[in-house]
Amino acid sequence: SQKIEQNSEALNIQEGKTATLTCNYTNYSPAYLQWYRQDPGRGPVFLLLIRENEKEKRKERLKVTFDTTLKQSLFHITASQPADSATYLCALDASGGSYIPTFGRGTSLIVHP
Amino acid sequence: GAGVSQSPSNKVTEKGKDVELRCDPISGHTALYWYRQSLGQGLEFLIYFQGNSAPDKSGLPSDRFSAERTGGSVSTLTIQRTQQEDSAVYLCASSLGGAETQYFGPGTRLLVL
Repeated sequence: SQKIEQNSEALNIQEGKTATLTCNYTNYSPAYLQWYRQDPGRGPVFLLLIRENEKEKRKERLKVTFDTTLKQSLFHITASQPADSATYLCALDASGGSYIPTFGRGTSLIVHP
Repeated sequence: GAGVSQSPSNKVTEKGKDVELRCDPISGHTALYWYRQSLGQGLEFLIYFQGNSAPDKSGLPSDRFSAERTGGSVSTLTIQRTQQEDSAVYLCASSLGGAETQYFGPGTRLLVL
């Protein structure tokens, strides 16, 4: 069955450092992968989408990579700030035109001042 | 409004009662999704509406769960004879037809006593 894995342990880093979050998947051939941010008590907010034929996507301090051979996406936040502290979810959509993404459980990021 | 809204924001009910949760999607968004998120868990897909097509109900956990979308806009998720395991945050999201990015509402926190 399809499976998405995100590190369940919180990632603690110091302000100014680069945070790197991992999303691994198995039994999937996703057409694209998305990253969302979720703050406590709120719904997820879309950050970035990367397609299967793209290796890297950037937006301001955010960078996403997508390795379909390794079946892995890395999500980087450079020059991290305490305001970046949140849970980050990856979501994959199976190839074939399905519009129903599957979400990972998310990884909590804590940026210490 | 500018975003997806959900009501009520919180709902406490007794086991065995029926509840209705409401979602107002972004105007013009033809796709609407319902998810459930339990503490520390990922987003669990429940149901998907796209335009006038028959909804994809493949994620509904039991026949106690049902949803409607009237006039291609507002949606109501109904849970009959609630059980304690139904306690969770119920999130609604909408998107432009055919688009991948979803816009989430703030969720309804349901507690079944």
